[in-house]
Amino acid sequence: KAGVTQTPRYLIKTRGQQVTLSCSPISGHRSVSWYQQTPGQGLQFLFEYFSETQRNKGNFPGRFSGRQFSNSRSEMNVSTLELGDSALYLCASSFTGYAEEQFFGPGTRLTVL
Amino acid sequence: GEDVEQSLFLSVREGDSSVINCTYTDSSSTYLYWYKQEPGAGLQLLTYIFSNMDMKQDQRLTVLLNKKDKHLSLRIADTQTGDSAIYFCADLPPNTGNQFYFGTGTSLTVIP
Repeated sequence: KAGVTQTPRYLIKTRGQQVTLSCSPISGHRSVSWYQQTPGQGLQFLFEYFSETQRNKGNFPGRFSGRQFSNSRSEMNVSTLELGDSALYLCASSFTGYAEEQFFGPGTRLTVL
Repeated sequence: GEDVEQSLFLSVREGDSSVINCTYTDSSSTYLYWYKQEPGAGLQLLTYIFSNMDMKQDQRLTVLLNKKDKHLSLRIADTQTGDSAIYFCADLPPNTGNQFYFGTGTSLTVIP
């Protein structure tokens, strides 16, 4: 069974640009969550999608958005990039998203110059 | 919101036991998890424990939960160099959907 895949693995952007990251969950999983990992703030929850609907949202500005497609694949978008957005972005999938094991992908390393 | 804390570093000799500690603040938490992150990789689920349990053992891993003190620990028996990684505890409070709260992570170094 394939694990959670994230593309691209590495990305370099400049301030002001926008970026789209992709996450493909484990087959059959319908919940996809996104986390930002930085040395200073650690792992912080961005949002969770289930059946194409955003079900939960963390404390991030509106520049961070996401969506989920009918095949459960998810994308997150960051507009008007800032230096502080440099981070490892992790997505995690689970069956229903309630009190279950979450399986994480390898992450996308975003560097903003 | 929920606050989960861990010590930052732990160093042990190969073959010894490692104990990684974690404290959390939400007493209504129902599930607590341990994840492992190796350099350049995502998070790997190691084990989890339900809040109505005191202990869970899984091969070399033992999780202890003290609900009264809101303290969670992960013991790794016979620690190997391949266990060197960052270990995160994570809390899933009720009524937060699937929003995990992660600790700061403990960097475990195993000395050969």
